[in-house]
Amino acid sequence: QVQLVQSGAEVMKPGASVKVSCKTSGYTFTRHYMHWVRQVPGKGLEWMGIIYPSGGSTTYAQKFRGRVTMTRDTSTNTVYMEWGSLSSDDTAVFYCGRDSNDVGYYGSGSPSGSIDYWGQGTLITVSS
Amino acid sequence: QSVLTQPPSVSGAPGQRVTISCTGSRSNIGAGYDVNWYQQVPGTAPKFLISSNTHRPSGVSGRFSASRSDTSASLTITGLQAEDEAFYSCQSYDNSLSHWVFGGGTKLTVL
Repeated sequence: QVQLVQSGAEVMKPGASVKVSCKTSGYTFTRHYMHWVRQVPGKGLEWMGIIYPSGGSTTYAQKFRGRVTMTRDTSTNTVYMEWGSLSSDDTAVFYCGRDSNDVGYYGSGSPSGSIDYWGQGTLITVSS
Repeated sequence: QSVLTQPPSVSGAPGQRVTISCTGSRSNIGAGYDVNWYQQVPGTAPKFLISSNTHRPSGVSGRFSASRSDTSASLTITGLQAEDEAFYSCQSYDNSLSHWVFGGGTKLTVL
């Protein structure tokens, strides 16, 4: 079965960077794009960006460009999201989520945007 | 301020029908992009419910349906049950931003 398992919660100092991992299993890693979504406590979901695991190409939301970097490791079927220059306003839960569309072996398809499987979430707390 | 606007809260009694709206613009819903809906019980990850092209994943109850009209979309839940109490978020693609966006979310309370 499809599983997305994220790294554990972390407490970070302001100014630091954090790297969240999302290890996948149960499907062909390179055939589905991966989204990252942020949720500030008590607030709604915010789409951060997407990565194509096969080629590594990324698209980031305007709001997060310059602070977020998404990467992947095809040898371990894991995607990563690095979030930099943390401030106290950045305390949030980060989710990885698999795009529902299978883009095929050669990546000829496009992501659908719908997220059919989600990681359990990773709480990043920023505190001095 | 979310690009997609949802009411902060809706409520209904068990057995009733409720509708949650998602208002967008000509650059997202009005441009014909799919609208996806997610359910999130507090403290857990969101769950994909349905998309506006009526695709419903296996395991999702037929009590959930979606529709769209012009620059808006709606999620309708019939036969409301206590287990439906959760947050519901819409999502679509915005071609002026060139990426996906979520609505602000709606809290559904089952009275």
